[in-house]
Amino acid sequence: QKEVEQNSGPLSVPEGAIASLNCTYSDRGSQSFFWYRQYSGKSPELIMSIYSNGDKEDGRFTAQLNKASQYVSLLIRDSQPSDSATYLCAVGRTEGNNRLAFGKGNQVVVIP
Amino acid sequence: KAGVTQTPRYLIKTRGQQVTLSCSPISGHRSVSWYQQTPGQGLQFLFEYFSETQRNKGNFPGRFSGRQFSNSRSEMNVSTLELGDSALYLCASSLRIWQGGEAFFGQGTRLTVV
Repeated sequence: QKEVEQNSGPLSVPEGAIASLNCTYSDRGSQSFFWYRQYSGKSPELIMSIYSNGDKEDGRFTAQLNKASQYVSLLIRDSQPSDSATYLCAVGRTEGNNRLAFGKGNQVVVIP
Repeated sequence: KAGVTQTPRYLIKTRGQQVTLSCSPISGHRSVSWYQQTPGQGLQFLFEYFSETQRNKGNFPGRFSGRQFSNSRSEMNVSTLELGDSALYLCASSLRIWQGGEAFFGQGTRLTVV
């Protein structure tokens, strides 16, 4: 079982619609959860972090965490062409180290 | 505030050679982690350094090594290069040992082994 799994893509959404991305993780000791955005040929850019169950909103982005189900998601509202990128889910433990386990990513394509 | 700086940006090496990559973290950040990114495997953790000590190591062969200097700058070295080592090598900077800290990536070094 992979540490972090993201459902396969790519995900095509019309401009202005909501893009929904999901991620599951296997380590129940995980405490920190992140979403990174990576444009083609660029490095990952941190866009959201979440540590507690529930929702966290930042602008057009909402991260949702459910530790009991070992599930984290990202919603992108009012999707824009500039949101077209690969979104990486990353999971880490709080204690002792900064190692992150990454999913393979979901490609999002926003269609104007 | 300057971000994470990695040098060089691009490298082409021949099988059997060795290579050294450099990473300067965000000012004040003491933790540096290294990742390898390939299309097939995605982002995989190599190792992490904090206060000049390797704190954690991923599942990579001993040909991959690293170190951290007193100013928090880090280098990673790959010896006896193989074709499969061709990848984007990313360095991530964090403020401290994992207290929920976020990792910020440099632009990466694209290594091609021929």
